[in-house]
Amino acid sequence: AQTVTQSQPEMSVQEAETVTLSCTYDTSESDYYLFWYKQPPSRQMILVIRQEAYKQQNATENRFSVNFQKAAKSFSLKISDSQLGDAAMYFCAYRSVGFGNEKLTFGTGTRLTIIP
Amino acid sequence: GAVVSQHPSWVICKSGTSVKIECRSLDFQATTMFWYRQFPKQSLMLMATSNEGSKATYEQGVEKDKFLINHASLTLSTLTVTSAHPEDSSFYICSARDSLEDRENYGYTFGSGTRLTVV
Repeated sequence: AQTVTQSQPEMSVQEAETVTLSCTYDTSESDYYLFWYKQPPSRQMILVIRQEAYKQQNATENRFSVNFQKAAKSFSLKISDSQLGDAAMYFCAYRSVGFGNEKLTFGTGTRLTIIP
Repeated sequence: GAVVSQHPSWVICKSGTSVKIECRSLDFQATTMFWYRQFPKQSLMLMATSNEGSKATYEQGVEKDKFLINHASLTLSTLTVTSAHPEDSSFYICSARDSLEDRENYGYTFGSGTRLTVV
């Protein structure tokens, strides 16, 4: 079974600065998807970014980008120009490829605090 | 965009009673629904996966007779917590998925969650 590890329970960053959240995973599969989700105090899960394992290029979505290191099984999230609205729990998630393998396996989460 | 409506958003029930939580996909057909449980300051733990018209697949350690899941239509799935006890108090989240990978959210849309308190 796949496992997802987030080693930073809490992180804080000054507003407008850059922060990187770490995620590692364990799998024997060669193709899969990785996600970062944000859960603000409202508890609504919001997709931040997704990466397909077969793509070498790191995904980018505005101020959010990932550093995907397939050999190291690492998938970190970089948030640039941090804003107060970025304060939330961030979860890394893994999904296998293929029909019937659609469930997401989540990491333990990192609570991000933005310091004004 | 894709929206999943989850109701109720919070519920308080007495120990021994049953509670039903509904999850509806509003603008797409949810071929698969996922039910998660989240304890305070913890991650989402998958309880079960359900496909429309078939029995749910429960994760190891989840009591299928206690957490009844019904996915009778492509837009509605329900989770019924039977004979609820205080230890069942938690935050329950559903996630609906359709077959269109290129949808926004890449096919996963989450409900807003239900906070269950059993007294």
